[in-house]
Amino acid sequence: DAGVTQSPTHLIKTRGQQVTLRCSPKSGHDTVSWYQQALGQGPQFIFQYYEEEERQRGNFPDRFSGHQFPNYSSELNVNALLLGDSALYLCASSFGRGQGRPQHFGDGTRLSIL
Amino acid sequence: AQSVAQPEDQVNVAEGNPLTVKCTYSVSGNPYLFWYVQYPNRGLQFLLKYITGDNLVKGSYGFEAEFNKSQTSFHLKKPSALVSDSALYFCAVSGSQGNLIFGKGTKLSVKP
Repeated sequence: DAGVTQSPTHLIKTRGQQVTLRCSPKSGHDTVSWYQQALGQGPQFIFQYYEEEERQRGNFPDRFSGHQFPNYSSELNVNALLLGDSALYLCASSFGRGQGRPQHFGDGTRLSIL
Repeated sequence: AQSVAQPEDQVNVAEGNPLTVKCTYSVSGNPYLFWYVQYPNRGLQFLLKYITGDNLVKGSYGFEAEFNKSQTSFHLKKPSALVSDSALYFCAVSGSQGNLIFGKGTKLSVKP
């Protein structure tokens, strides 16, 4: 039973570029959330997708956008990259939305901005 | 606003000794609390959760957590630490629609 898989594992970009990160949820899960984890910090919630729509959003600018596909996989897009966007981006999946549901995390994509 | 606090940046324990990693929370309404562990260059692994019921919650790898409503705490514990328990530990509270709000993490170091 495959867990949450993310690609790529590492990525190097320069300022101003755009990037797309990909996530496949754990089998049986239909909800995908994205988090940003800066070095030495706890993960910060970016947004959550359910039924192919963004359902909840954290305090991130519009440069961060996403998509969920009919097979529940998801993409995170970041435009006009800034140095401060360097971080580990984590995808998490769960079955359904709402409080109290454990989220299962992938190993993340390490994004470095030069 | 809901939040959690982890007052210790690092906890050092000798192998075989009991360990405690502290977490306090601030929520409106009933808390939904979680502990996750992160090993180097890996994602977060779910350890345990508190929704309702018994104040002592048992989780994976011999970990347990004690929920204390009066002290608004949810401390992670293990009776006998292993060197392999060395990792970064995160406490989290569930937001109203399921998003997780994390503390800044506590680095646990277990020495042989």
